[in-house]
Amino acid sequence: DGGITQSPKYLFRKEGQNVTLSCEQNLNHDAMYWYRQDPGQGLRLIYYSQIVNDFQKGDIAEGYSVSREKKESFPLTVTSAQKNPTAFYLCASSIPGLINSPLHFGNGTRLTVT
Amino acid sequence: AQKITQTQPGMFVQEKEAVTLDCTYDTSDQSYGLFWYKQPSSGEMIFLIYQGSYDEQNATEGRYSLNFQKARKSANLVISASQLGDSAMYFCAMREWGNFNKFYFGSGTKLNVKP
Repeated sequence: DGGITQSPKYLFRKEGQNVTLSCEQNLNHDAMYWYRQDPGQGLRLIYYSQIVNDFQKGDIAEGYSVSREKKESFPLTVTSAQKNPTAFYLCASSIPGLINSPLHFGNGTRLTVT
Repeated sequence: AQKITQTQPGMFVQEKEAVTLDCTYDTSDQSYGLFWYKQPSSGEMIFLIYQGSYDEQNATEGRYSLNFQKARKSANLVISASQLGDSAMYFCAMREWGNFNKFYFGSGTKLNVKP
């Protein structure tokens, strides 16, 4: 079955360490996204990519970095520059150029930084 | 201005009753799409239903229907015959023709279904 796999489900890190969240999809979607969700709140866009080797900053990109070397993969690095990294991170994919194409989400990674 | 507004932070509904979750949107595009997602406590986001701005009929998917009132810029989700498993957060989202790259999300409504 096609879908999006995020790993790990839970991640614990010490303050000052960089950490990379994995996102892999086999839906053959060109567009991929990273969202952050804080408790009781909506989703905020961190980065998105419409095509391999290209990505754009979203609304809250500071302290994060991404790469898109393969169509299937869009890893997110949370750097030590991110002031409040503890959050729930969701990866998603979609078909660009098709307005009725919904976002397909992974199951998320819950990051705790102490 | 916010693109998507969900004014009900939390709602209760009795099992087997119908419930309406409100969503209003703001866009100057003529072509746009509206989406509803369900997020159970486990965290995954589940796509429920889609409505296109040019669709003349309200969208329906099983127990979910979308009450689309274009002139009022509202896209309310109606869940019929609520079940305990419907207890979750619900998010309304929009995608505009002029900016395909972005999905705008509301702040969500937490629905609790009472037995």
